[in-house]
Amino acid sequence: QVTLRESGPALVKPTQTLTLTCTFSGFSLTTSGMCVSWIRQPPGKALEWLALIDWTDDKYYSTSLKTRLTISKDTSKNQVVFTMTNMDPVDTGTYYCGRAVAHGYYYMDVWGKGTTVTVSS
Amino acid sequence: DIQMTQSPSSLSASVGDRVTITCRASQNIINYLNWYQQKPGTAPNLLIYAASYLQRGVPSRFSGSGSGTDFTLTITSLQPEDFATYYCQQTYKTPTWTFGQGTKVEIK
Repeated sequence: QVTLRESGPALVKPTQTLTLTCTFSGFSLTTSGMCVSWIRQPPGKALEWLALIDWTDDKYYSTSLKTRLTISKDTSKNQVVFTMTNMDPVDTGTYYCGRAVAHGYYYMDVWGKGTTVTVSS
Repeated sequence: DIQMTQSPSSLSASVGDRVTITCRASQNIINYLNWYQQKPGTAPNLLIYAASYLQRGVPSRFSGSGSGTDFTLTITSLQPEDFATYYCQQTYKTPTWTFGQGTKVEIK
């Protein structure tokens, strides 16, 4: 059974760096075609794709946010770490990690429950 | 970035109705199009991938079609548990993915 769980602070101050960890089980990020992606959702708004790391350790970022984002993996711990610098109140929302499968097509077939992040002083 | 536009933004329907949601891409994405369902307070759930392939465990009343720039999600007989928000997602420009703005399906 594939599961993912997000963890990190619920509250960050403006200008601080957000660090979130995605801990997963049921698959390996060394297996061909396996990826982990981060998605966020401001309250009452649509989903926004943020970043992805794949089994080769290639990393990809949202065009509009890439100067603020970093994604990395620790395969021995089955974890993916996501950071976003210079947080602003508009970054408030729910942050999800999910497994992305790359078998000809890409899709996110299993998601974590999400973690809510509020940016406020 | 490729823009994804869903229509309508919301709709009201009754149990048993046939519901159609459309998603238009700003450029040709062939069939690199996924559909997700999201219920309040929960994570999205994959329904359809590659435009028309039903994800394992998803009821057969859900179907997807389309190619190029125009895509459709159809629910043939709406059930009470189908009231939710639906999102399309393009994965053509991998991996600079984008989602549509969502379509909320409400009870009439």
